[in-house]
Amino acid sequence: AQSVTQLDSHVSVSEGTPVLLRCNYSSSYSPSLFWYVQHPNKGLQLLLKYTSAATLVKGINGFEAEFKKSETSFHLTKPSAHMSDAAEYFCVVSGAGTASKLTFGTGTRLQVTL
Amino acid sequence: GAGVSQSPSNKVTEKGKDVELRCDPISGHTALYWYRQSLGQGLEFLIYFQGNSAPDKSGLPSDRFSAERTGGSVSTLTIQRTQQEDSAVYLCASSWDRVFSGELFFGEGSRLTVL
Repeated sequence: AQSVTQLDSHVSVSEGTPVLLRCNYSSSYSPSLFWYVQHPNKGLQLLLKYTSAATLVKGINGFEAEFKKSETSFHLTKPSAHMSDAAEYFCVVSGAGTASKLTFGTGTRLQVTL
Repeated sequence: GAGVSQSPSNKVTEKGKDVELRCDPISGHTALYWYRQSLGQGLEFLIYFQGNSAPDKSGLPSDRFSAERTGGSVSTLTIQRTQQEDSAVYLCASSWDRVFSGELFFGEGSRLTVL
């Protein structure tokens, strides 16, 4: 079985300050991990993915995430938030034997204030 | 268009009625997925198609839910005798991978409200 836990349902940051969205995973296999972003009234879009190559993964729009096996974490970070980053972010896991579907976290809503 | 297209974008129906939701995937994508997104919850997997067959339909919540895909392209999700708990956003996604990569392309969803 596999699962992800997003530790914060809502995060608020000021524009220009760092972003940290936390995700812990559980998987019986060596997992593939992803972050998806959903802007209001838009479809989900892949932000970045980890598939057992480099543990530090860079994605679009300046986001990156680090896979830490010892901590079973895959936190999403960005050095400086922009107003356009305001959206819902989903941490997602896929493990061996479950190639047909992904398991989504419950999401973290990122608010960016002036 | 170039993206995944879903219709209708909004559907309001009365309890007990049947509804059909349509998904038009990106051309050439062999894999197609249906998910359900309820308020305050993550995405719930419903069914996965590879071509016209559905090797995984384990997420369909009851026998009131069914889906089909024809011509390896358009898919229809049907909910019979709708209940208020069926109210949600139904998302469709497609992928060109036969070897699963995790990158899905999502439509904007169909918001279903059951009164």
